Amino acid sequence: NAGVMQNPRHLVRRRGQEARLRCSPMKGHSHVYWYRQLPEEGLKFMVYLQKENIIDESGMPKERFSAEFPKEGPSILRIQQVVRGDSAAYFCASSPRQGNTGELFFGEGSRLTVL
Amino acid sequence: KNEVEQSPQNLTAQEGEFITINCSYSVGISALHWLQQHPGGGIVSLFMLSSGKKKHGRLIATINIQEKHSSLHITASHPRDSAVYICAVRSMDSNYQLIWGAGTKLIIKP
Repeated sequence: NAGVMQNPRHLVRRRGQEARLRCSPMKGHSHVYWYRQLPEEGLKFMVYLQKENIIDESGMPKERFSAEFPKEGPSILRIQQVVRGDSAAYFCASSPRQGNTGELFFGEGSRLTVL
Repeated sequence: KNEVEQSPQNLTAQEGEFITINCSYSVGISALHWLQQHPGGGIVSLFMLSSGKKKHGRLIATINIQEKHSSLHITASHPRDSAVYICAVRSMDSNYQLIWGAGTKLIIKP
C-alpha cells in the first residue's frame, strides 16, 4: 500500500510562471490537506479537500492559489504567476476520514524554488 | 503566547541517552500528533494520541489531558534519530485543522 505520493519533489520556476503540485493520497483516503512550510518555519494549513469538494480554504491566499481534488486523479495545488515569496515546501497529507479519528499520513513534500 | 509550545527548542545529546521532548497546549483538543521531519525530508507521523500512552519501538508518547501536556521519549537514542520533532494538536473547535508547535531540533552525536 503506497504512501502519500507527491510530485514533483523539486520544482524550479521563474517569477510569473505557474507551478502545479500533485498529491496522490493513500489508497482509500478521500480527505486531503495541503500545508506550506516556509524556510525555517513550521507548517501552515492551506486547504482541506474531499473528493470534488473544497471544505476549507481559509489558509490559502485568495489570489493566485487554487486547489482541486477531482473524482479521478490526484489533488492539485496550483500557483499562478509565482513570486519569490512562494518558495517553500508544500506538504500534502491524507486521511481516511475526517475529524479526530483520522490519522494523517504525509507525503515527502514538493519543494518550490522561485528564481 | 502560542497555543502549542514545545521545549526544548534545540537538544543535543550523546548516543544512548534517554531523550524527552515536551509539548504544552492551551486549547481543548480532541487529539495530539507527534511527527518527525528529517532535514530536507518529508514528514512522518509518529503517534496520534487522545489519552494515555503509546509505544512504538524506542519511541514512547504520553499525554495528560488534565494538565494539557504531552511528552515524547526516545530510549537508547541513535544518530539516526536526529530530526525535528513536531507536536500538533487538533483543536476541539475544528475537527480537522491542526495547530502546530514550532518543533524541537534534536541532534544525537555518536
